[in-house]
Amino acid sequence: ETGVTQTPRHLVMGMTNKKSLKCEQHLGHNAMYWYKQSAKKPLELMFVYNFKEQTENNSVPSRFSPECPNSSHLFLHLHTLQPEDSALYLCASSPTGENEAFFGQGTRLTVV
Amino acid sequence: GEDVEQSLFLSVREGDSSVINCTYTDSSSTYLYWYKQEPGAGLQLLTYIFSNMDMKQDQRLTVLLNKKDKHLSLRIADTQTGDSAIYFCAERSKAGTALIFGKGTTLSVSS
Repeated sequence: ETGVTQTPRHLVMGMTNKKSLKCEQHLGHNAMYWYKQSAKKPLELMFVYNFKEQTENNSVPSRFSPECPNSSHLFLHLHTLQPEDSALYLCASSPTGENEAFFGQGTRLTVV
Repeated sequence: GEDVEQSLFLSVREGDSSVINCTYTDSSSTYLYWYKQEPGAGLQLLTYIFSNMDMKQDQRLTVLLNKKDKHLSLRIADTQTGDSAIYFCAERSKAGTALIFGKGTTLSVSS
């Protein structure tokens, strides 16, 4: 257990659905991240939040919309996804942006 | 751009040593990391090394850093079947705000 909790663990959604992924940490960390892990590709950094402010958006399509209401919670809102968006979505946190990251178990997303 | 390269597969026998190699691009990286991912799980931090060190040992794990060649390696002594997993090398992004990972090396340990 790393102290970073992601829900749900598995999600199947249609291309016209809207869903949200949730990430929660009570480690007192101030930086939170979304990564995408697809087969045969490196982990792709999607978004970075520092002290609730988005500091990086790595050219992610607008059908992915992050939200960080406070330092302990991070959401990824999904709408009109494509089958190629099926992947493992990993949330991570770190004390600041300069430390090692602690990862959640991930949400396995399948878009049908 | 930023790039972390690793070989994709390594197969060893139980009891042997495993060496997983990684090359990175950003010579200003202050820390370099090794993570482990078991099936169906997130990434677990294994160890890290500060860039002014050449070597770090932690029980069965030895990390070697060659800054001149931008080469990082992870040696696992007395490899066990429980060490079978994907191992990721990571460096900090140029912006300094997040970790950049390689594709991961799948380690397969046979008994």
